[in-house]
Amino acid sequence: EDKVVQSPLSLVVHEGDTVTLNCSYEVTNFRSLLWYKQEKKAPTFLFMLTSSGIEKKSGRLSSILDKKELFSILNITATQTGDSAIYLCAVEWYKGSTLGRLYFGRGTQLTVWP
Amino acid sequence: DVKVTQSSRYLVKRTGEKVFLECVQDMDHENMFWYRQDPGLGLRLIYFSYDVKMKEKGDIPEGYSVSREKKERFSLILESASTNQTSMYLCASSFRKYNSPLHFGNGTRLTVT
Repeated sequence: EDKVVQSPLSLVVHEGDTVTLNCSYEVTNFRSLLWYKQEKKAPTFLFMLTSSGIEKKSGRLSSILDKKELFSILNITATQTGDSAIYLCAVEWYKGSTLGRLYFGRGTQLTVWP
Repeated sequence: DVKVTQSSRYLVKRTGEKVFLECVQDMDHENMFWYRQDPGLGLRLIYFSYDVKMKEKGDIPEGYSVSREKKERFSLILESASTNQTSMYLCASSFRKYNSPLHFGNGTRLTVT
């Protein structure tokens, strides 16, 4: 079963709307949660969250983690057509002495109409 | 800026062929990864490597092998390609063992006919 669940799977909004993307997880040996944006090609890194309750912000995007309830949200305010992409949530977990590994969610496809 | 380069953007191979997917990173990263991405399934880890000549299986290693002879290069090998290996393959690298974002290549879309 999925260890990282994103919702909604797809979302269509108009320019200027605010959106909230959700990511819940069930992973032991949690280390961090990461958000990526994927347009046509390579996923690009947005945020890495390791501590609960501390908001990370970059322009119109912000994200926060709740380690007690095991979820994170990604907010995008005043959306633009350039925000159209797949947003990926990934959780890093730790196994033994080797490096952290990521479980990815299935992604949220965001479409912003002009 | 980190650059992860995958040698082919698109590749078409026949069933049973041996296929090599090459990946090179230019930032002296210790760790390298191969993922495949399928619609509705997200990214799944095939293999990873944390040092030259070291490799570990990810979540779906069956039908694949890897080679890391040099720090900057990580190759994914399909010993005998099958149609269910048609997918987008993404290579990534990272600097530290953990709490270190992955830097992805642009992907290779492989079609096996």
